[in-house]
Amino acid sequence: DVKVTQSSRYLVKRTGEKVFLECVQDMDHENMFWYRQDPGLGLRLIYFSYDVKMKEKGDIPEGYSVSREKKERFSLILESASTNQTSMYLCASSPSAFVEQYFGPGTRLTVT
Amino acid sequence: RKEVEQDPGPFNVPEGATVAFNCTYSNSASQSFFWYRQDCRKEPKLLMSVYSSGNEDGRFTAQLNRASQYISLLIRDSKLSDSATYLCAVGVSGGSYIPTFGRGTSLIVHP
Repeated sequence: DVKVTQSSRYLVKRTGEKVFLECVQDMDHENMFWYRQDPGLGLRLIYFSYDVKMKEKGDIPEGYSVSREKKERFSLILESASTNQTSMYLCASSPSAFVEQYFGPGTRLTVT
Repeated sequence: RKEVEQDPGPFNVPEGATVAFNCTYSNSASQSFFWYRQDCRKEPKLLMSVYSSGNEDGRFTAQLNRASQYISLLIRDSKLSDSATYLCAVGVSGGSYIPTFGRGTSLIVHP
């Protein structure tokens, strides 16, 4: 079974803090993704990576950065957290293009 | 027009009913199609891929209609445990690695 894990299920941070969300997959997948999900807005892609050290902006990259130093790990960084970044953050991985994605359990981030 | 559209519902059906959802897509170059299930406050999980000829998995049947550019999910003999949000995802050829997700259709199965 594919396993995608995320570092925290719930996180509370203060405005202006730097926040790190980590995602690890154990199936040697090439592609990894970060989404945020908000009620009524669905899944919105923040960044994705198709190889180590490679990254591409998604639909809403502003205020975020990412790091992929190892194939199995994809980190999302909020440089200076703001209240409008309060959301559910979902990491996903897939073995190649055009195939299904496997999601981690999500991190519910609250910025106060 | 949104790339991938779903009726948000909720679809409220009794146990044992048959229910169907559609998901329309705008890009005719779309080549991969999926249905995911998402329980409340949980992550999406793959329910099934959708193949050109249609495919079935137990009580679930997925169909693709390329001419009208939609996919469908049919659930027969609905169970209480089928209550969830169903997301469709559509992948487009041409180098993109990322499928586009619909916003989901909510299903509530009641006794």
